[in-house]
Amino acid sequence: AQSVTQLGSHVSVSEGALVLLRCNYSSSVPPYLFWYVQYPNQGLQLLLKYTSAATLVKGINGFEAEFKKSETSFHLTKPSAHMSDAAEYFCAVSDKDTGNQFYFGTGTSLTVIP
Amino acid sequence: ETGVTQSPTHLIKTRGQQVTLRCSSQSGHNTVSWYQQALGQGPQFIFQYYREEENGRGNFPPRFSGLQFPNYSSELNVNALELDDSALYLCASSPGPLGTDTQYFGPGTRLTVL
Repeated sequence: AQSVTQLGSHVSVSEGALVLLRCNYSSSVPPYLFWYVQYPNQGLQLLLKYTSAATLVKGINGFEAEFKKSETSFHLTKPSAHMSDAAEYFCAVSDKDTGNQFYFGTGTSLTVIP
Repeated sequence: ETGVTQSPTHLIKTRGQQVTLRCSSQSGHNTVSWYQQALGQGPQFIFQYYREEENGRGNFPPRFSGLQFPNYSSELNVNALELDDSALYLCASSPGPLGTDTQYFGPGTRLTVL
């Protein structure tokens, strides 16, 4: 069975500081991994995805994530936080067996302090 | 190119009533997935339609049903509404049903059951 764990339901960083949002997955087969961002009262927007190509994935708005099989992790990072990064972030997993059925984590709310 | 649209944006119903939510998929996409997002939680997979056929279902009772039309738009129907059905319902379209296919989300329909 698929599952995703996002450690830290709330993360606060200062403007200009490193952003690190954690995601660990459990999958019995090689996973495909996605990070989405959700702004208040909006749907989800794709930040980046890993589908078994390069393990370091670059996304929009300066975000990137690294797939580490040994740690079953896919943490999201951004070198310098901006006020506009304040939002809810969701990690999701799928695989070739479950197809396009995405399993989402419970989300991490990012606050950026000026 | 228009994105995924959903209607209505907000809906208030009472227990026991029935509701229909609508979704227009992105141009060129033949797959639609529906998710339920309770307050403070990640989206939960309800079901998926691929070329007008159901292509996977999450752990939701049969009173949650759906349709996909020849133009790949979709409906989610919920019968005998319960208080716990109050949530944001998200529709996502994708170019196919594979685990590698990115899902593009609409803004959601906020359903309140009183």
